[in-house]
Amino acid sequence: EPEVTQTPSHQVTQMGQEVILRCVPISNHLYFYWYRQILGQKVEFLVSFYNNEISEKSEIFDDQFSVERPDGSNFTLKIRSTKLEDSAMYFCASSEAPSGGHYEQYFGPGTRLTVT
Amino acid sequence: AQKVTQAQTEISVVEKEDVTLDCVYETRDTTYYLFWYKQPPSGELVFLIRRNSFDEQNEISGRYSWNFQKSTSSFNFTITASQVVDSAVYFCALIKAAGNKLTFGGGTRVLVKP
Repeated sequence: EPEVTQTPSHQVTQMGQEVILRCVPISNHLYFYWYRQILGQKVEFLVSFYNNEISEKSEIFDDQFSVERPDGSNFTLKIRSTKLEDSAMYFCASSEAPSGGHYEQYFGPGTRLTVT
Repeated sequence: AQKVTQAQTEISVVEKEDVTLDCVYETRDTTYYLFWYKQPPSGELVFLIRRNSFDEQNEISGRYSWNFQKSTSSFNFTITASQVVDSAVYFCALIKAAGNKLTFGGGTRVLVKP
């Protein structure tokens, strides 16, 4: 069964460093998403991406964050200058068409980011 | 704005007991979808069930069943005859039709003891 993959599974970085989290969505999916989950808290939407553009973003997704689809398979989330509060699990998801519930968002296993 | 509330933070049951998870939501959209996801200790998010706002028929799928009451904005989820492998955090989530953003509740941790 096709699945969303994410690398690395765990990333440790120092405050102020840039990190890039990588995701490979399901191959025929066109819509891509990033969510984050601070330890012990709920999952929060960050951004959705379609046709090489951000289609929606949350207030969390400030100028420190950016997303890119650098080639036909990868979808990346970059945090320019990490802060301690960026420590969280980051989930990538993809869907075949605009999600809206009819098309399920398939989640990857997550990347745990630890900022020290 | 959308909001999902899961009032129960943790539920502990003994194996084979039934467990019901509560979910209450708020939305101004007339068409929307509701989900339940499971997050086992390994951390991934596993899709369990989906229901659209037009279909209030309650269903059973194996040991899972759900009770959607639009009048009370509730979407409760029941695990029948719980097993130790059901131990996980369960999230209720909401998305508007043609929307991009899943809004999650705070999650309910279920601990099933042998």
